[in-house]
Amino acid sequence: GIQVEQSPPDLILQEGANSTLRCNFSDSVNNLQWFHQNPWGQLINLFYIPSGTKQNGRLSATTVATERYSLLYISSSQTTDSGVYFCAVERGGSEKLVFGKGTKLTVNP
Amino acid sequence: EPEVTQTPSHQVTQMGQEVILRCVPISNHLYFYWYRQILGQKVEFLVSFYNNEISEKSEIFDDQFSVERPDGSNFTLKIRSTKLEDSAMYFCASSMTSGGANEQFFGPGTRLTVL
Repeated sequence: GIQVEQSPPDLILQEGANSTLRCNFSDSVNNLQWFHQNPWGQLINLFYIPSGTKQNGRLSATTVATERYSLLYISSSQTTDSGVYFCAVERGGSEKLVFGKGTKLTVNP
Repeated sequence: EPEVTQTPSHQVTQMGQEVILRCVPISNHLYFYWYRQILGQKVEFLVSFYNNEISEKSEIFDDQFSVERPDGSNFTLKIRSTKLEDSAMYFCASSMTSGGANEQFFGPGTRLTVL
């Protein structure tokens, strides 16, 4: 099956810093989503981005489908950005999202 | 904004008991999913459901599990004879379509603890 690798696995930042999270996937995909899992365990949709670039406030994401990777940018990080960020992809012919292992982000005040 | 809801938020059960986890998908969505996340691990697909039947399932989704859409709004996951290893967060998701523009929206999860 398709492999999804996220890096780095852990990231510690000071409030106000910027960061880039990466998601590599091993096959072409129809769907790519980024999620933030908050401390209560909820999965919050950040971006639906099978290709191209999107921005939402301090967050933006870029997917280069032909090169099989996606990047999530967090600017001016805040303590509330802490949590685990998951990338998930859906391959053609399948309905399931395949998740990576996540990047655990800790933003210190 | 429409959202997926799940009940209960927490469920504690004894090993061997049956549990039913409930979900209300977004009202105009047609595809429904269950995923689970064992503590500290990644989220894993269990099953997808469309037009009142299972459309895809993983190897995890064995005879212990079943899904049902008992009415026009609810979508349920039944786990028969629970085992200790069934302890996990269970997420319901829904989407309007499948393939192509298929953004899946997740509920807040049900944390299942099997003692």
